[in-house]
Amino acid sequence: DTEVTQTPKHLVMGMTNKKSLKCEQHMGHRAMYWYKQKAKKPPELMFVYSYEKLSINESVPSRFSPECPNSSLLNLHLHALQPEDSALYLCASSREVPGAPNEKLFFGSGTQLSVL
Amino acid sequence: QKEVEQNSGPLSVPEGAIASLNCTYSDRGSQSFFWYRQYSGKSPELIMFIYSNGDKEDGRFTAQLNKASQYVSLLIRDSQPSDSATYLCAVIKAAGNKLTFGGGTRVLVKP
Repeated sequence: DTEVTQTPKHLVMGMTNKKSLKCEQHMGHRAMYWYKQKAKKPPELMFVYSYEKLSINESVPSRFSPECPNSSLLNLHLHALQPEDSALYLCASSREVPGAPNEKLFFGSGTQLSVL
Repeated sequence: QKEVEQNSGPLSVPEGAIASLNCTYSDRGSQSFFWYRQYSGKSPELIMFIYSNGDKEDGRFTAQLNKASQYVSLLIRDSQPSDSATYLCAVIKAAGNKLTFGGGTRVLVKP
């Protein structure tokens, strides 16, 4: 299994809703990432978990809350989002630890989020 | 100055020609360099990585690294319409730093 699986593929939510994005990998990778990508822009790093511990938080607003229940799963809990948070949210995993010279990312297909 | 810079394009290339993409980086201590391909509406996919000065070839792709001049390039030989995508250059600085993406170069291969 060489896939990173993300659900749902599309999500529309109101500004008062609470929702969660899910990501799963079974490649034995020990680092998992959340990226946000706006149209025609590169991915922006949000969070990194290494060995199930949060190792990088790129000063993301608290309305985004990551969770890593185990080495295969990564969640992103969303609450009270703003319309400007509408974007493609990408999960990625890597066999190597973050910042390692051979850190190669495997991306999931993403969740296209629209906040109304 | 951006940490990783790419020409946004679009780079228009006739089918069968060589597409040449460039990426410059600001941190002289950068040690690892990656090229990701992203089709419209899809997620990025790693296609090449290079750590040492010189060329690295993989099929129709060649990555070239020149640390003295702080640039890395990607050549796509015999370009096909299926190569039409955005190509993201990514760099890891000294150990312990995160991967930094450039803005991407959009490539259009015309039949």
